[in-house]
Amino acid sequence: EAQVTQNPRYLITVTGKKLTVTCSQNMNHEYMSWYRQDPGLGLRQIYYSMNVEVTDKGDVPEGYKVSRKEKRNFPLILESPSPNQTSLYFCASSSRQGARNTEAFFGQGTRLTVV
Amino acid sequence: AQSVTQLGSHVSVSEGALVLLRCNYSSSVPPYLFWYVQYPNQGLQLLLKYTSAATLVKGINGFEAEFKKSETSFHLTKPSAHMSDAAEYFCAVSEGGSQGNLIFGKGTKLSVKP
Repeated sequence: EAQVTQNPRYLITVTGKKLTVTCSQNMNHEYMSWYRQDPGLGLRQIYYSMNVEVTDKGDVPEGYKVSRKEKRNFPLILESPSPNQTSLYFCASSSRQGARNTEAFFGQGTRLTVV
Repeated sequence: AQSVTQLGSHVSVSEGALVLLRCNYSSSVPPYLFWYVQYPNQGLQLLLKYTSAATLVKGINGFEAEFKKSETSFHLTKPSAHMSDAAEYFCAVSEGGSQGNLIFGKGTKLSVKP
């Protein structure tokens, strides 16, 4: 079954304690991305990756890091989480047609609370 | 730069009534357009997509959308709402250029009254 798997689903942490949210896809997609979802703001892109070892900033990258060492995995790293990073996070991978994303497949989401 | 505007953050309809969720886009290139649905505590699921083929696109669960270039719109419709349609709906446009990122609207929460 084609899927994007995120872990953990729920996470409560304290300010400043480094954390990693994992993301893995089994569709051999080159393109992967991270979004955060906040009420009234929709989905905002944090980082994206066009391929292995190729990553770039999205609209709200401050306070986040990513890596893409393997095609299937795209972890999101918060080196020093702060309360304003409390949010619902989604990983997605996309099929491509030429230079365009034709469809994004989303993980189930990670609800992060930073206290 | 591409952008998406969804008119109405909340829409409420009665069961059996027409569902109309509005989406307007701006794009400097022929767009690819998408509608996603998010049920409570779940990720986003693709409802339908327009990638420059037929302008009337049919999706899952009886939804459809029509691409209207002259109006820069891609409104989502369903003739008869079901209680199970209650969810949040997101319109998205795929950027042109080398990145091809998806740009999402802010979402419309659909409520269905019995």
